[in-house]
Amino acid sequence: EVQLVESGGGLVQPGRSLRLSCAASGFTFDDYAMHWVRQAPGKGLEWVSGISWNSGSIGYADSVKGRFTISRDNAKNSLYLQMNSLRAEDTALYYCAKGSEMATITTAFDIWGQGTMVTVSS
Amino acid sequence: EIVMTQSPATLSVSPGERATLSCRASQSVSSNLAWYQQKPGQAPRLLIYGASTRATGIPARFSGSGSGTEFTLTISSLQSEDFAVYYCQQYNNWPLYTFGQGTKLEIK
Repeated sequence: EVQLVESGGGLVQPGRSLRLSCAASGFTFDDYAMHWVRQAPGKGLEWVSGISWNSGSIGYADSVKGRFTISRDNAKNSLYLQMNSLRAEDTALYYCAKGSEMATITTAFDIWGQGTMVTVSS
Repeated sequence: EIVMTQSPATLSVSPGERATLSCRASQSVSSNLAWYQQKPGQAPRLLIYGASTRATGIPARFSGSGSGTEFTLTISSLQSEDFAVYYCQQYNNWPLYTFGQGTKLEIK
């Protein structure tokens, strides 16, 4: 079964850091681009960041550029999001999502995890 | 940044009727447009990619059309399980992908 499981969320104070992880299984992880998408409580979806299959191409939303860093470890079938200088507006459910086509970043997202909640509050 | 605008924000339709949801891009995204369905407490599910191709396991009552800046998701005969929030997303403008704000499809 193809599966993505996020972890690492929690309550953190403004200005602090947090690292999210996404464990992938059931598919050849290093064939696909991966992404992070977030959803603030009661709001819509916001693409946060994406990374190509070989980490050669990386992108960020303007709202997180310079504060968040995406990375992957293909040997461990894992995706990460290092979040620094967290703000109240970063409070959201963070989803990990898989690109639908092999070896390209220009794809839709066909598999999603259940998300990990990040709350930024003092 | 490409802005995706969905309309209407809320659509009230009776079961068995047709629903038509719209998505407009602020500049051309070619056919690199996806539609997702999200139910309360669940992760989004991919319905349509490439503007008009149904994802695996998606019923034929879901169809997508359009290219460039204007796109439509049509649900031909609404079932009870189709009432949800629908999002469009452009994946043409790397490295900055964007979602629409969503359309809530509710029972009339």
